[in-house]
Amino acid sequence: NAGVTQTPKFRVLKTGQSMTLLCAQDMNHEYMYWYRQDPGMGLRLIHYSVGEGTTAKGEVPDGYNVSRLKKQNFLLGLESAAPSQTSVYFCASSYASREIEQYFGPGTRLTVT
Amino acid sequence: GDSVTQMEGPVTLSEEAFLTINCTYTATGYPSLFWYVQYPGEGLQLLLKATKADDKGSNKGFEATYRKETTSFHLEKGSVQVSDSAVYFCALADTGRRALTFGSGTRLQVQP
Repeated sequence: NAGVTQTPKFRVLKTGQSMTLLCAQDMNHEYMYWYRQDPGMGLRLIHYSVGEGTTAKGEVPDGYNVSRLKKQNFLLGLESAAPSQTSVYFCASSYASREIEQYFGPGTRLTVT
Repeated sequence: GDSVTQMEGPVTLSEEAFLTINCTYTATGYPSLFWYVQYPGEGLQLLLKATKADDKGSNKGFEATYRKETTSFHLEKGSVQVSDSAVYFCALADTGRRALTFGSGTRLQVQP
């Protein structure tokens, strides 16, 4: 059981470039989330999904898009990267049942120059 | 909207000292409350949780009690170890979309 995995672990982009972060979970979780972590601000929700084929906006969705074509995968896209998107990105997943504990991936450190 | 406020760090303690990290929240309804821990270079791990008022979550010697009357969920440990050095996040989950709202995190440094 790998749990929640994220690729890549590190990435450096130039302003204006695009990229996709991949999150995969093997726990058959219905819910998946993308957060960003910035110093002194905790984690903030970017987008989330309550099931295959569904997505919704979180608190800081601007500049990001997501897709959930398969239940086990949740992709986060940056169409035109900006320095303000320099951050550590965490994916998480959870069951749809009453138990709402979230399981986190190891994170992706993204630098936009 | 929902929010979580926790004490700023860093908190520096000697080994075997008593730890308290304060956390208060603002939320509608009856959220579930969590403490997550992040060790250097790693993702977040659930430390403990409480899902209703007066519940006490506990794990690895850490405890926190869900206090609805004071909207608090303070983290405590009676005797910290060097291996407890990490960043601790208080969080709540709303019952709708169930996403987590995090506090800003408190860095704990335990010295031998």
